Amino acid sequence: AIQMTQSPSSLSASVGDRVTITCRASQDIRKDLGWYQLKPGKAPKLLIYGATNLESGVPSRFSGSGAGTHFTLTITSLQPEDFASYYCLQDHNYYRTFGQGTRVEIK
Amino acid sequence: EVQLAESGGGLGKPGGSLRLSCAASTFNFSDYTMTWVRQAPGKGLEWVSSITPDSEYTYYADSVKGRFTISRDNAQNSLFLQMNSLRADDTAVYFCALISLLVGSTDSWGQGTLVTVSS
Repeated sequence: AIQMTQSPSSLSASVGDRVTITCRASQDIRKDLGWYQLKPGKAPKLLIYGATNLESGVPSRFSGSGAGTHFTLTITSLQPEDFASYYCLQDHNYYRTFGQGTRVEIK
Repeated sequence: EVQLAESGGGLGKPGGSLRLSCAASTFNFSDYTMTWVRQAPGKGLEWVSSITPDSEYTYYADSVKGRFTISRDNAQNSLFLQMNSLRADDTAVYFCALISLLVGSTDSWGQGTLVTVSS
């Protein structure tokens, strides 16, 4: 199975900060990766698909980059509603795997 | 807008069984691979199982292989997860999902149903 290693597991940041989260795949997954935001009691929300494409309705302060084995999610100018957990997901094959998650907390 | 609604969660006993259902509406359900994902208390998201549109292929995480069975009824726009030989570590919120990472504006999730395994 493809392993996804996500870092950091948590971070503290302030409103207005720039935040970067990283996922590394155990093998080349091209650009078959998405990023999700998860808040308590809510369904996961897709932010980025195809590694770099912004999902419709998602603010432009979110962006994704990378291909192959190294991927990043960047949030420029963190907003209060962005304090949540974030997960990468690979769907290079049907045996999908999530990263371990990153909890973004208020400093 | 795609709508997915899970049901069937609740309390199950170790070694027992539960069957989850997911009702889909407002999209061509039979065109898409469907997936179950879970989140245990205080833990991250875990992919559980997926099924292709015509049910020809099914895929399972190692943690549930041999115990869980995914199925679908395209005529009823429904997805199912039969959970047997339940264990305490199956306790989680289970989400029904249409995961779409190739095309935008298609990815959709239900609100989840809680499964608690306890004696």
